[in-house]
Amino acid sequence: EVQLVQSGAEVKKPGESLKISCKTSGYSFGSYWIGWVRQMPGKGLEWLGVIFPTDSDTRYSPSFRGQVSISADRSIATAYLEWRSLRASDTAMYYCVKQHLEYTSHFDFDFWGQGTLVTVSS
Amino acid sequence: EIVMTQSPDTLSVSPGERATLSCRASQGVDSNLAWYQQKPGQAPRLIIYGASTRATGIPARFSGSGSGTEFTLTISSLQSEDFAVYYCQQYDGWPPRITFGPGTKVDIK
Repeated sequence: EVQLVQSGAEVKKPGESLKISCKTSGYSFGSYWIGWVRQMPGKGLEWLGVIFPTDSDTRYSPSFRGQVSISADRSIATAYLEWRSLRASDTAMYYCVKQHLEYTSHFDFDFWGQGTLVTVSS
Repeated sequence: EIVMTQSPDTLSVSPGERATLSCRASQGVDSNLAWYQQKPGQAPRLIIYGASTRATGIPARFSGSGSGTEFTLTISSLQSEDFAVYYCQQYDGWPPRITFGPGTKVDIK
């Protein structure tokens, strides 16, 4: 059974750093791109970026490049999303997502983590 | 950036009726289009990929059609569990420049 289990909710202050995780199981972690999607409160879905764990090839949305960092650790089948300096506007639910079809450039996502709520407030 | 638009914003439908949701891309995306269902407090769920292929476990009452810039998601006979927000997403091209539509909320009439 494929599972993506994300780390718990975070409350941070502006300017602080944060790294959230997505622990996967039930599939070959190195064979599929894994990514992150943001959902601000009451809003729609926004794609942040994806990483291919085998070679750490990482692709970002132009809107989020330089704002976040995506990484992965194949040894523990876990992906990460990191901020160096949080802003109030980063307050959102963040979902990790698994690419549906391996070894393709098709980026529909068949499994989603449960979400990590990040709240940034002074 | 490819901009996705969806219509209507909200669709009020009675159980058992047919629902037709539209999605438009600002430029052609071939058949690289997915639909997701999101219920309150839950993560989205993949419904349709490749514009017209149902994902694993999705009932046959869901169907997708279209290619290029115009796409449709049809729910043939709405069940109570289908009331949710539906998002379309394009994933055309390399490097990936994935974008989602703003969503259509399907609620009970």
